[in-house]
Amino acid sequence: GAVVSQHPSWVICKSGTSVKIECRSLDFQATTMFWYRQFPKQSLMLMATSNEGSKATYEQGVEKDKFLINHASLTLSTLTVTSAHPEDSSFYICSAETLGGPVNEQFFGPGTRLTVL
Amino acid sequence: LAKTTQPISMDSYEGQEVNITCSHNNIATNDYITWYQQFPSQGPRFIIQGYKTKVTNEVASLFIPADRKSSTLSLPRVSLSDTAVYYCLVGEGRGGGNKLTFGTGTQLKVEL
Repeated sequence: GAVVSQHPSWVICKSGTSVKIECRSLDFQATTMFWYRQFPKQSLMLMATSNEGSKATYEQGVEKDKFLINHASLTLSTLTVTSAHPEDSSFYICSAETLGGPVNEQFFGPGTRLTVL
Repeated sequence: LAKTTQPISMDSYEGQEVNITCSHNNIATNDYITWYQQFPSQGPRFIIQGYKTKVTNEVASLFIPADRKSSTLSLPRVSLSDTAVYYCLVGEGRGGGNKLTFGTGTQLKVEL
């Protein structure tokens, strides 16, 4: 199946710094990528939909100025957590959508564990 | 987006068949039913997807009744490695930009 990678797999940063997380579709092109956040023992929460070449669409309650998303190419989307604070500590997961065939399918990355001290 | 309801947790033993049922009373005509598996600190993994009746692949079967208001994921002969959270999702399978709404999921625990 299609492979999606994330980098880094984990990151620890100080409060107030910015952190960039990369999401890559390795063997397919993805016009649409999604970013999720997952707190311990909770479900995934969709943060935003990222479309190549256009602005991301954010879910209600997600600050677009804090979570900057750039979908620069058909294989790369980045999420930058700006001025991170301890409450931003979470597991961030991206997915990339394949098109074609009878149904579309989302392939998920392995996730990035962010810890803000 | 149709909301889904599934049991919070289930316990089973190795070698048994496990059936996890999901309710989606408000499913729309264009909606597909998709199940994902998630291990701790990993991204979800696609298991199976269907629209109606029965779908089977190498790891699971998906049973969908005629009214499509529920679906059942069937895992044959589970092993310890099947211990994970299983999510049932409903949404359009076509058209691109298909947002997925994850519910609470079902924590399956398989014991010896």
